[in-house]
Amino acid sequence: SAVISQKPSRDICQRGTSLTIQCQVDSQVTMMFWYRQQPGQSLTLIATANQGSEATYESGFVIDKFPISRPNLTFSTLTVSNMSPEDSSIYLCSVEQNSGANVLTFGAGSRLTVL
Amino acid sequence: GEDVEQSLFLSVREGDSSVINCTYTDSSSTYLYWYKQEPGAGLQLLTYIFSNMDMKQDQRLTVLLNKKDKHLSLRIADTQTGDSAIYFCAESMRSASKIIFGSGTRLSIRP
Repeated sequence: SAVISQKPSRDICQRGTSLTIQCQVDSQVTMMFWYRQQPGQSLTLIATANQGSEATYESGFVIDKFPISRPNLTFSTLTVSNMSPEDSSIYLCSVEQNSGANVLTFGAGSRLTVL
Repeated sequence: GEDVEQSLFLSVREGDSSVINCTYTDSSSTYLYWYKQEPGAGLQLLTYIFSNMDMKQDQRLTVLLNKKDKHLSLRIADTQTGDSAIYFCAESMRSASKIIFGSGTRLSIRP
């Protein structure tokens, strides 16, 4: 299965700043997904990032707050803009493997704490 | 609506079987999954089951699916300390082409 590297693994940020999380995959993939994992809660899909087109955002998430780039088939970034303490969470990048069964492979996540 | 529910905690004695339960709401789900998350790591796929099956076994893992009741369970036989983790149930929603996750069950093992 694909190997996914995420950077940073963790960061502490000040309110009002923005942070960009990078996701690198060791193979070419069509679909990449960004999830948020809040403490004690389920994973929530933020958006689907496809190469060559704009990301598709889920209800409750907007491009201005979470801009996404997908410049090629192995890389994506998620920016968390104008952060507030409510954005403190783990952000996970994932890719679809074995597309017949929609199996996802995840990166280790980026844990953000906003003060 | 989209909803996957699990209990938050489970504690079992080492060597016993663990049974983690999950209910879901989308009757059109095509696949159902169990993922495992160890501390500081991303989610790792444990197993999945196609919606027209009612059981799948893989070594110490047994997945049971009751489609009528929309109930999924994961049984871990001979639970070991290395099984301590958070276990997420998830469903693949055909209608929306996305995967919905439960909130995870934290499994702890006592000696």
